[in-house]
Amino acid sequence: QSVLTQPPSVSGAPGQRVTISCTGTSSNIGAGYDVHWYQQLPGTAPKLLIYGNNNRPSGVPDRFSGSKSGTSASLAITGLQAEDEADYYCQSYDSSLSGWVFGGGTKLTVL
Amino acid sequence: QEQLVESGGGVVQPGRSLRLSCAASGFIFNSYDMHWVRQAPGKGLEWVAVIWSQATNKYYTDSVKGRFAISRDNSKNMLYLQMNSLRAEDTAVYYCARETPKYDAFDIWGQGTMVTVAS
Repeated sequence: QSVLTQPPSVSGAPGQRVTISCTGTSSNIGAGYDVHWYQQLPGTAPKLLIYGNNNRPSGVPDRFSGSKSGTSASLAITGLQAEDEADYYCQSYDSSLSGWVFGGGTKLTVL
Repeated sequence: QEQLVESGGGVVQPGRSLRLSCAASGFIFNSYDMHWVRQAPGKGLEWVAVIWSQATNKYYTDSVKGRFAISRDNSKNMLYLQMNSLRAEDTAVYYCARETPKYDAFDIWGQGTMVTVAS
């Protein structure tokens, strides 16, 4: 049972837009802690995709964007491409647990 | 370039110990807080431990408190995870990760090292 809740899977056709939600509580996202997103391609280490709710590291396409509101956050991917097929994780900090927490992950399938 | 390389994984019996290492290069190691994150087979990511840049503070997830110890040697640009009293549920790929300045995100990850706890 992950502290942050994500849908297990989402899918979309090439060129479409998909969103992945991440729901937390008043001790993590709702407490004002930043949300970060990672992309994990099969058999590889996670890669930072979005940091500080809506910032992209250098090299990440602007097709990827993040937002945060209240106790939830979202990752949006526009112009879906086959190479986007991966697992996506949200992450924040939890003051009750005094530790870093992840969502359970969402598998994106490009149809 | 900035890089983290883990080593030390393997197959170990329940109750035994193992020490993981993470070699950092391409950045000023002693300026960054460092973490261990693990991923059980087919499962999601789980934060394990953090050590501050000068090793003044260390924190652990509840399931490893009292069994795991994180440490670093800034003179050698090395991060370690000493794992004692290993359990089957500790079986996972263990990643070392660098924490971004100003944000509590992980911007650099190693390739991971697999730890299997089985008799």
